[in-house]
Order: sequence, then structure tokens, then C-alpha cells
Amino acid sequence: SAVISQKPSRDICQRGTSLTIQCQVDSQVTMMFWYRQQPGQSLTLIATANQGSEATYESGFVIDKFPISRPNLTFSTLTVSNMSPEDSSIYLCSVAGTLADTQYFGPGTRLTVL
Amino acid sequence: GQQVMQIPQYQHVQEGEDFTTYCNSSTTLSNIQWYKQRPGGHPVFLIQLVKSGEVKKQKRLTFQFGEAKKNSSLHITATQTTDVGTYFCAGQNQGGKLIFGQGTELSVKP
Repeated sequence: SAVISQKPSRDICQRGTSLTIQCQVDSQVTMMFWYRQQPGQSLTLIATANQGSEATYESGFVIDKFPISRPNLTFSTLTVSNMSPEDSSIYLCSVAGTLADTQYFGPGTRLTVL
Repeated sequence: GQQVMQIPQYQHVQEGEDFTTYCNSSTTLSNIQWYKQRPGGHPVFLIQLVKSGEVKKQKRLTFQFGEAKKNSSLHITATQTTDVGTYFCAGQNQGGKLIFGQGTELSVKP
């Protein structure tokens, strides 16, 4: 399976600011996804990061709040904009070869908003 | 929308006892995937089940996929302290979206 890294691994931010999370894969992958895991909760899909085009967002998530970039097949960024304490979560990227394949997760970014 | 329900939410066992977690989907699944998340860690892929009625084993772990491809279970025989963590099932629908269950948090008392 691919080796996935995320930066930063954790951060503490002030409300109203924005944070950009990076996801880097050691090989080209077709599918990249961004998830949120709120404290003690399960994983919720935010969006599918599409290479060369706008991300596909799930219900309840909008581009203005979570802009995503995917400039190539090994890298993606997720920005959490205008943060509030409710955005405190673990943000995870995952990758897959195809839409039906197993997804492998990065180590996650633990975000705390004060 | 599609939902994947997982029970129980918590399970506390004595080391050596067995453990089972169950998942049930509101719709027929393309496949189901199981993940383990250790405390402070990220979800780690365990297995994927694709065929109706499929049973797979990994050492002390047995995974089953129901005949109707709507339910699944994970059974651990003779739990060890290294089994501690939260076990998630994730059902994949025909459109490829992965829907995670709520997870079962397993604690093992030595």
C-alpha cells in the first residue's frame, strides 16, 4: 500500500483563522479523499479531491469553508477556513486506486480551535 | 440516505474472552471494509469483503459478510491486550462512497 504523510500532525489555532493541511503520497493514486473525525465519533467524508478540477463535496460541506486543491496525483491540500471551536477534529486524507478499492488513511491532523 | 449501523458502541472484556461487533446497512452494499483505530492513531485497513456470504480469517479475527450483502460481523477469539482499539466497518455503495459505522470501542482487561 502507498505511504501517506500529512502536515501538520497537529495544531492549535485561534478562531477566525484558517489552516491548510497537506497530504502527500509516495506514489500516484487515482482517488484522494478528505474525512473529518470529531472527538469520539466516526469518520465523515468531506469531499473527493479531483485532480485538475474542483473537488466533489458531500452534503453539509461547502467549498468556501473547506477549499481543496489537488494539483497532481500525489498531493492534495484541505483548508479549514474561518475556524470555530466546532471545527476541532481530526482531519484525515485517504487514497485508493479506484472508487471500488480499499482506502488507505494518512496519519491525520489533530486540530484544536480555541 | 444510506446508513451503516454498528453495535455495540463499547465492549469491555477480560483478556481471553471473545468479542464480536456487528454492522448493518440500510441498503445492499458493493463491499464492506473493516478498519482498526488504536487510541491516538488513524484507521488501519484490516480486510475487505466482496462476495455474498464470504468468510475470511486473519489469525484470531473472523470476518463475515451476509448473504444479502447488508450486514457483516467481526469476531475476535481469545482477546489480547493488543486488540484494544476502535473497530470500524465501512460499507461501500454502488457509487463508490464509503459509509462508516459508528465504531465499537474494545477495551481488554488483563
